[in-house]
Amino acid sequence: SQKIEQNSEALNIQEGKTATLTCNYTNYSPAYLQWYRQDPGRGPVFLLLIRENEKEKRKERLKVTFDTTLKQSLFHITASQPADSATYLCALDRVGTGTASKLTFGTGTRLQVTL
Amino acid sequence: DADVTQTPRNRITKTGKRIMLECSQTKGHDRMYWYRQDPGLGLRLIYYSFDVKDINKGEISDGYSVSRQAQAKFSLSLESAIPNQTALYFCATSERNEQFFGPGTRLTVL
Repeated sequence: SQKIEQNSEALNIQEGKTATLTCNYTNYSPAYLQWYRQDPGRGPVFLLLIRENEKEKRKERLKVTFDTTLKQSLFHITASQPADSATYLCALDRVGTGTASKLTFGTGTRLQVTL
Repeated sequence: DADVTQTPRNRITKTGKRIMLECSQTKGHDRMYWYRQDPGLGLRLIYYSFDVKDINKGEISDGYSVSRQAQAKFSLSLESAIPNQTALYFCATSERNEQFFGPGTRLTVL
């Protein structure tokens, strides 16, 4: 069955450092991979989308890579700030839908940025 | 005003009761979704609708039903609530790829 794995342990990082979160998947051939941010008690917020034919996508301090051979995406936050503390979810679409109409989410990794 | 709203935000009910969770959106999107989120299990898709006449089951639809009253409104019903339906429920909309989530409804079934 299709499976998405994110590190369930919280990632603690010092302010100013680069945070790197991992999303691995199996039994999947996604056309899209998305990253969302979720704060406690709130709905997820879309951050970035990367397509299967893209290796890397950047947005301000965020960078996402997508390696379809390794079946892995890495999500980087450079110059991390305490305000970046949140849970980050990766989500994959199902091939054949044409768009990311149906997403399967990972369980998320909680990031804690300390001073 | 928020683009995707959910009511109620919190609800405590008893086993066997019928519950309806409502979702409204002002984004003009055709696609709407209902998810539940449980600790350690992440977001799981319950039902989704690609337009007013289209309703589809997600991965965990048993015990739930939905109604798409209009493009802007998508309701989730628990016909006879049970304790393992205690969870955080999210409604979402999309136009193409990214999904826009509501603030969530925290439902507790005693």
